[in-house]
Amino acid sequence: AQSVAQPEDQVNVAEGNPLTVKCTYSVSGNPYLFWYVQYPNRGLQFLLKYITGDNLVKGSYGFEAEFNKSQTSFHLKKPSALVSDSALYFCAVRSGSARQLTFGSGTQLTVLP
Amino acid sequence: DTEVTQTPKHLVMGMTNKKSLKCEQHMGHRAMYWYKQKAKKPPELMFVYSYEKLSINESVPSRFSPECPNSSLLNLHLHALQPEDSALYLCASSQDRGPTGELFFGEGSRLTVL
Repeated sequence: AQSVAQPEDQVNVAEGNPLTVKCTYSVSGNPYLFWYVQYPNRGLQFLLKYITGDNLVKGSYGFEAEFNKSQTSFHLKKPSALVSDSALYFCAVRSGSARQLTFGSGTQLTVLP
Repeated sequence: DTEVTQTPKHLVMGMTNKKSLKCEQHMGHRAMYWYKQKAKKPPELMFVYSYEKLSINESVPSRFSPECPNSSLLNLHLHALQPEDSALYLCASSQDRGPTGELFFGEGSRLTVL
């Protein structure tokens, strides 16, 4: 079985401040981890993924995420938030043996000007 | 071309109507997906096609009928829907069904069932 938790429904941050969106996971075997972003009335867009190798993964729009195996976490980060980063963020996980991807419940990020 | 194109963007239908949602990708991807998404919720997998064959049906009611005419096209035929079927329907594709590939999503078709 696999699962992913996004403990915060809502994250508010001031423009220019660093942002973190939290994600923890549970899988049997090696995890493959993904972050997607969804802007209002749009589909999901892929931001970044961790498959293997370097624990710090860099993705689109200045986002990065750190894979922490001991804490089973894959938090999304950005050094300086933009108002345009305001969106719904989904973490997702899949193990090698799983049939499909499992999405977290989503975190609404609001960047305040 | 890294796009997944979905039509129509909006659809309103009565419970007795028959309609179809269409999805197209030209990235050479061999896996295509239909997801259903309610507002502010994660997408829920409905169907997966791999190399044009249905590989996953997540116990979706028969009023939803998928079709994959070729490797670039995916349809979702709708018949006798219920108001609770109103949602955003997302099509996605990936290189194949392997676990490491990311999904490319379309903009979605917003369905309202009256």
